[in-house]
Amino acid sequence: AQTVTQSQPEMSVQEAETVTLSCTYDTSESDYYLFWYKQPPSRQMILVIRQEAYKQQNATENRFSVNFQKAAKSFSLKISDSQLGDAAMYFCAYRTHPITGTASKLTFGTGTRLQVTL
Amino acid sequence: DSGVTQTPKHLITATGQRVTLRCSPRSGDLSVYWYQQSLDQGLQFLIQYYNGEERAKGNILERFSAQQFPDLHSELNLSSLELGDSALYFCASSADFSDTQYFGPGTRLTVL
Repeated sequence: AQTVTQSQPEMSVQEAETVTLSCTYDTSESDYYLFWYKQPPSRQMILVIRQEAYKQQNATENRFSVNFQKAAKSFSLKISDSQLGDAAMYFCAYRTHPITGTASKLTFGTGTRLQVTL
Repeated sequence: DSGVTQTPKHLITATGQRVTLRCSPRSGDLSVYWYQQSLDQGLQFLIQYYNGEERAKGNILERFSAQQFPDLHSELNLSSLELGDSALYFCASSADFSDTQYFGPGTRLTVL
C-alpha cells in the first residue's frame, strides 16, 4: 500500500518570503499522480498543484512550484512571495494511475500547518 | 467554488441515530468519492462510485453505506452512530478516473 509522509507538522514564514513544505511517499508503482491541497480555516479542500510522475518537468502554478524527485520519492512544495492568505493546512496526496491501478482514491499525508507572519 | 455541493453543512445528532449526507458532483463528473477527516485518523478514503456503480472501497465501516443515483448525486448513510463518527465528511468528484478530484465544502457531523 502507498504511504505519504509529511514530517513537518508546523511551519512558519514571513510575508513575502519563500517557504518549502516537504513530502515523501512510498510506492512500488512507476506511474502515479501527486497533489498538494490547501485547507484554510474554512476547511474547504483546495487543489494547489498537480504533478504526473511520468513528466520530468516540475509543475508550477503562479507562486507555487514543486520539486519532484522521483528516485528519492520526494515531492516538496515551494511557496514564493508568501501572502497572509497562504496560511492554511497543506496536504500532500498520492493517487494511483487509473490505467495501471484499479483504485483512484487519494492517499493523504498528515498535513503541515503553515503560519504566515507580518 | 469547486462546483461540488454538499448538504447539510453541519449536523448534530445523538449516538445510535442514522443520518444521510448528500453530495452533488460538478456538472459532467461521473466519479464521486467520499472521505472522512477526523483528528485521530486524518483524511481517509471511504468509497468511490463511478456512473452509479461502486468502484472502490476504503476504510468504510459496515454501519456506513453509500449510493450514486441516476442523476449522479450521491448519498452517504451513517447508522448506529457512535461518538467516534464525529468528523468532517468530504465528497469529491472527477470527470473520470484520470482527472483531478475537486472537493465539496464538507459536512461537519457531531455525534453527542
